[in-house]
Amino acid sequence: EVQVVESGGGLGQPGRSLRLSCTTSGFTFGDYGMNWFRQAPGKGLEWVGFIRTKTYGGTTHYAASVKGRFIISRDDSKSIVYLQMNSLKTDDTAVYYCARDLVRFLESTGFDPWGQGTLVTVSS
Amino acid sequence: EIVLTQSPATLSLSPGETATLSCRASQSVSSYLAWYQQKPGQAPRLLIYDAANRATGIPPRFSGSGSGTDFTLTISSLEPEDFAVYYCLQRTIWPPELTFGGGTKVEIK
Repeated sequence: EVQVVESGGGLGQPGRSLRLSCTTSGFTFGDYGMNWFRQAPGKGLEWVGFIRTKTYGGTTHYAASVKGRFIISRDDSKSIVYLQMNSLKTDDTAVYYCARDLVRFLESTGFDPWGQGTLVTVSS
Repeated sequence: EIVLTQSPATLSLSPGETATLSCRASQSVSSYLAWYQQKPGQAPRLLIYDAANRATGIPPRFSGSGSGTDFTLTISSLEPEDFAVYYCLQRTIWPPELTFGGGTKVEIK
């Protein structure tokens, strides 16, 4: 069964850092781009960023709201993708979701599966 | 940044009726548009990708159409489990960017 499971959420202080992990199983992790999304309480969905496969350089791209503060990385040997969140702001409070590209080696608008999400609360 | 506008914000329908949801892009996104369903407390679920391709396991009552700037998600003969919030999503190849619409809530009338 293909699965993605987020972890690492919790309370973070403004200006500090937090690292989320997305542990995957059931597929050849290195063949897929991986993505992070978030949803603030009671709000809509927002794209955070993605990381390509090593075949395509493992390059990363971010939403303007997190660029320069968040870093996505991947460990293909462990089938895990990370979201390093630095210089946290109260506006970063949200449920963070990890999602796999639908098709291996192809960027489309399909993301599946999604994890159940992990809540990050930024507050002093 | 491409802006996606979904309408209506809320759709009140009865089971068995047909739901027609609209998503309009501020500039052409070709066919790079998807539809996701989200129920309270759950992760989004992929329904339609690249405008008209139904994801695995999605019932045929869900269909997507459109290209360029105007897209439609049609849910024929609503089932009780279809009452949820629906989001459209676009993907720009360069610069790499993804944006969601504000969502349409399909509620029971």
